[in-house]
Amino acid sequence: RKEVEQDPGPFNVPEGATVAFNCTYSNSASQSFFWYRQDCRKEPKLLMSVYSSGNEDGRFTAQLNRASQYISLLIRDSKLSDSATYLCVVNTNNNDMRFGAGTRLTVKP
Amino acid sequence: NAGVTQTPKFQVLKTGQSMTLQCAQDMNHEYMSWYRQDPGMGLRLIHYSVGAGITDQGEVPNGYNVSRSTTEDFPLRLLSAAPSQTSVYFCASSSRGLYGYTFGSGTRLTVV
Repeated sequence: RKEVEQDPGPFNVPEGATVAFNCTYSNSASQSFFWYRQDCRKEPKLLMSVYSSGNEDGRFTAQLNRASQYISLLIRDSKLSDSATYLCVVNTNNNDMRFGAGTRLTVKP
Repeated sequence: NAGVTQTPKFQVLKTGQSMTLQCAQDMNHEYMSWYRQDPGMGLRLIHYSVGAGITDQGEVPNGYNVSRSTTEDFPLRLLSAAPSQTSVYFCASSSRGLYGYTFGSGTRLTVV
């Protein structure tokens, strides 16, 4: 079993749609959690950290459920510019960050 | 600020050749790591460092060496290139691992 598993995608949604990505992790000792965005042939960029209480940044909402070892990312009012691959990242200790394989999102006009 | 700088951006090697991928950061970050990214596999950790003079192995260290003589630089050496090392390599740094990483733009390596 992979340490971090994500919805395989791809997700193809129209502009304005709401889309949710899910991620599960296997190591209960994991301490910190992130969502990264990666555009085609580019480096990953930090989208947002994920906190136990849940957090929101504009149209993006991240949730963490430690009991179920589950992380989610919700994107509301999708824009064409949201098209990218979204990576779930789990940090077990200070330097052991494990990446999911990513979920590709395409937002269409 | 330049952030994390990787060189070269592209490289083609013959099987058995050696080379060094360069990584430098100007943010005074303690933590630096090397990842490789292959289709469908996500990013996998090769080696990491928590400070100058300290390095350790990640998930897939075989065939690679690293050193960290300064805070700024973290080169990755391929000892004897193999076709299985064809990949995109990313260097990343962080002030503390818990706060997420800043990535370099990557090196696309092909071994023939």
